[in-house]
Amino acid sequence: DSGVTQTPKHLITATGQRVTLRCSPRSGDLSVYWYQQSLDQGLQFLIQYYNGEERAKGNILERFSAQQFPDLHSELNLSSLELGDSALYFCASSEWVDDSPLHFGNGTRLTVT
Amino acid sequence: QQQVKQSPQSLIVQKGGISIINCAYENTAFDYFPWYQQFPGKGPALLIAIRPDVSEKKEGRFTISFNKSAKQFSLHIMDSQPGDSATYFCAASNTGNQFYFGTGTSLTVIP
Repeated sequence: DSGVTQTPKHLITATGQRVTLRCSPRSGDLSVYWYQQSLDQGLQFLIQYYNGEERAKGNILERFSAQQFPDLHSELNLSSLELGDSALYFCASSEWVDDSPLHFGNGTRLTVT
Repeated sequence: QQQVKQSPQSLIVQKGGISIINCAYENTAFDYFPWYQQFPGKGPALLIAIRPDVSEKKEGRFTISFNKSAKQFSLHIMDSQPGDSATYFCAASNTGNQFYFGTGTSLTVIP
């Protein structure tokens, strides 16, 4: 158990809808990351937060947004969903900023129909 | 542009054999190189990691070999077991803890 909690585990929704994925980092971890893993693809970095502030952005679509709250949990909001957004979304956390390993949750599987 | 290139995409090894997965990078600013293991339905889990000041790190049956001049690193799994069947990702990070992942290798160990 990595200590990173993601909810929900599964989400099925229709195109055009909006969903929110939630992540609670490991106790003591200040950085939160979001990754997208599509079928047969690797881990695509979406966004990184550190202690409530956005630190880095990757291939995150404008329809997607995220935030990290004062209690350090994070939410990833996906709107105007398209079929191609169906994927596994992973949250990871790390203790510090530099040279800290990532600890991943078990992901949220999003299916857009 | 893929910052970390990983090969092979898939690998089949007999039980007891050696599994070797290779990764290459271009950015010399990378200073931390972890390997992650992912089982179906689970998130990637840190397996072993190395920093560029050493050429090899061993933990049990898992060894990372690192060649700084060639900008390559590899994972060796000795005495591979069916329980090692999983997807393996290499990664590299730099200042700011931005991680770049390889595309993954699906390892199957045949009993």
